[in-house]
Amino acid sequence: DQQVKQNSPSLSVQEGRISILNCDYTNSMFDYFLWYKKYPAEGPTFLISISSIKDKNEDGRFTVFLNKSAKHLSLHIVPSQPGDSAVYFCAASTGNQFYFGTGTSLTVIP
Amino acid sequence: DTAVSQTPKYLVTQMGNDKSIKCEQNLGHDTMYWYKQDSKKFLKIMFSYNNKELIINETVPNRFSPKSPDKAHLNLHINSLELGDSAVYFCASSQDSYYQPQHFGDGTRLSIL
Repeated sequence: DQQVKQNSPSLSVQEGRISILNCDYTNSMFDYFLWYKKYPAEGPTFLISISSIKDKNEDGRFTVFLNKSAKHLSLHIVPSQPGDSAVYFCAASTGNQFYFGTGTSLTVIP
Repeated sequence: DTAVSQTPKYLVTQMGNDKSIKCEQNLGHDTMYWYKQDSKKFLKIMFSYNNKELIINETVPNRFSPKSPDKAHLNLHINSLELGDSAVYFCASSQDSYYQPQHFGDGTRLSIL
């Protein structure tokens, strides 16, 4: 029973454009959300998080949006760079229990 | 300096064997985790320890036994390995056990022949 879903396995974007990665969740008790980036043969690296009391959090080129009513979060990367090419995982938490999506592979084309 | 290191990186072994994966973190974190990523890329928590105490124990076969000798180490021992145990196992740590991002190791790819 997958509580966090990333329905797009892959995404290709031109360098300099916006990348939008999406994530849906089913459990309304989740109140903390995170995005991780993963390169091949490495572990996931924390990127950005948001708590359920906010609807937006920014960190440089990365912005996470949370729509609680739709149980949806998204990660915007602007502008996209070739080094952003990686697999992006979203995760949702009730505090100490974390549930991950299956990832979206982003390719940024130079 | 590697923050979360796990060894070995690759482990190829026969069905029925017993094996261990070691994990160490030098971040001074209180909480450590083991995750399993299966062939469908689904990353699922197995165990979580806070200051050497088990706090999360998901539905994992008894053949998997975590051991935390101190808060900087969390090892995973697997008895009687089965084909379905083939996966990538990630160790992670976080500052404490609530509302904290996790720092992951690079994974151990376990292949059962």
